[in-house]
Amino acid sequence: GAVVSQHPSWVICKSGTSVKIECRSLDFQATTMFWYRQFPKQSLMLMATSNEGSKATYEQGVEKDKFLINHASLTLSTLTVTSAHPEDSSFYICSASRTVTLNTEAFFGQGTRLTVV
Amino acid sequence: GENVGLHLPTLSVQEGDNSIINCAYSNSASDYFIWYKQESGKGPQFIIDIRSNMDKRQGQRVTVLLNKTVKHLSLQIAATQPGDSAVYFCAENISTGRRALTFGSGTRLQVQP
Repeated sequence: GAVVSQHPSWVICKSGTSVKIECRSLDFQATTMFWYRQFPKQSLMLMATSNEGSKATYEQGVEKDKFLINHASLTLSTLTVTSAHPEDSSFYICSASRTVTLNTEAFFGQGTRLTVV
Repeated sequence: GENVGLHLPTLSVQEGDNSIINCAYSNSASDYFIWYKQESGKGPQFIIDIRSNMDKRQGQRVTVLLNKTVKHLSLQIAATQPGDSAVYFCAENISTGRRALTFGSGTRLQVQP
């Protein structure tokens, strides 16, 4: 199957600093990538849809100025958590679909564990 | 933030037994469904998918059943192994929608050796 790689796998940062998470599709082009957040013992919640060459679409309740998304190429999307606070500590996961056609399998990155201290 | 005290439903089975994990979906317009396996600290891993024009699909040791009438999905794992221990999520999508998956709440499968 297709490979989606996230970096870093884990990060610890101080409160008030910003953290960038990268999501790369290694062997296919992804015009659309999705960013999810997962708190312990909970399901994945969609944060935003990242579209190559255009602005991301954010879900209700997700602050676009706090979670900056950039999708500058067909293989890379980045999520920057700005002015991170302890409540932003979570598991962040990206996914990408191989094609632009409907109902295709979504491939997930290995996730990034963010801890804000 | 985190919901303190929230627990995933857990299914405990003996090694070698068959496992059945259930999922109820809410959107009657959903027409594509996927089961994912998530091990601790990792991203979801694709197991099997099914489209709404089918009611059953089989893979290697896994079978997915879809009942559109009651909006129910199940994952059957044959001869469950310790390596199957993980959290399992169903996900749904709408072919005319934005293609972002909506995930169910998850079930933890514990396989006892």
